[in-house]
Amino acid sequence: GESVGLHLPTLSVQEGDNSIINCAYSNSASDYFIWYKQESGKGPQFIIDIRSNMDKRQGQRVTVLLNKTVKHLSLQIAATQPGDSAVYFCAENRPLNRDDKIIFGKGTRLHILP
Amino acid sequence: EAGVAQSPRYKIIEKRQSVAFWCNPISGHATLYWYQQILGQGPKLLIQFQNNGVVDDSQLPKDRFSAERLKGVDSTLKIQPAKLEDSAVYLCASSAGGPQETQYFGPGTRLLVL
Repeated sequence: GESVGLHLPTLSVQEGDNSIINCAYSNSASDYFIWYKQESGKGPQFIIDIRSNMDKRQGQRVTVLLNKTVKHLSLQIAATQPGDSAVYFCAENRPLNRDDKIIFGKGTRLHILP
Repeated sequence: EAGVAQSPRYKIIEKRQSVAFWCNPISGHATLYWYQQILGQGPKLLIQFQNNGVVDDSQLPKDRFSAERLKGVDSTLKIQPAKLEDSAVYLCASSAGGPQETQYFGPGTRLLVL
């Protein structure tokens, strides 16, 4: 069955601190991973992605780490700001026959404390 | 660049009624996706089109859901008849290529079935 996502519904972080959002995946054949941010009333927005031949990728204020040994993915947000408040989803790409399939996890709500 | 457009934004119907959602993807994007997002969960892929052909509809409840993408551009998703458990946000996304290209999501249509 579908099993992307670590069950941690809400993460509260002080403004200015770093945030770390975790995600576990179960399919060792997954070869591509994406983090999305979803604000209330909006569709998911791409943040950063990483392919399975990498273990770290950095963007602007965000870093994604991939540990294939334990099938774990994390999103680090530096200097968290109020605008980072949202639900964050990890998604994995599972090769399926000749096609690929994106599976989303359950999501983590990031709450920024003033 | 215009984003993915969806309409209507909200819809309330009674069970056993029919409903249709419309999506206009980003111009030139070959791949179009319909997702169902139940409150508190990640999006679940219902159907994926490559141009006007179906790539994956394995999670589409075909006894009541149908989708088409005529001329490889706009798409409609229909539910007939609706059930209470169909209450969700229906998200449309598009990408230039397959799932390993960045998916851009529309704002979604929030459906409430009473």
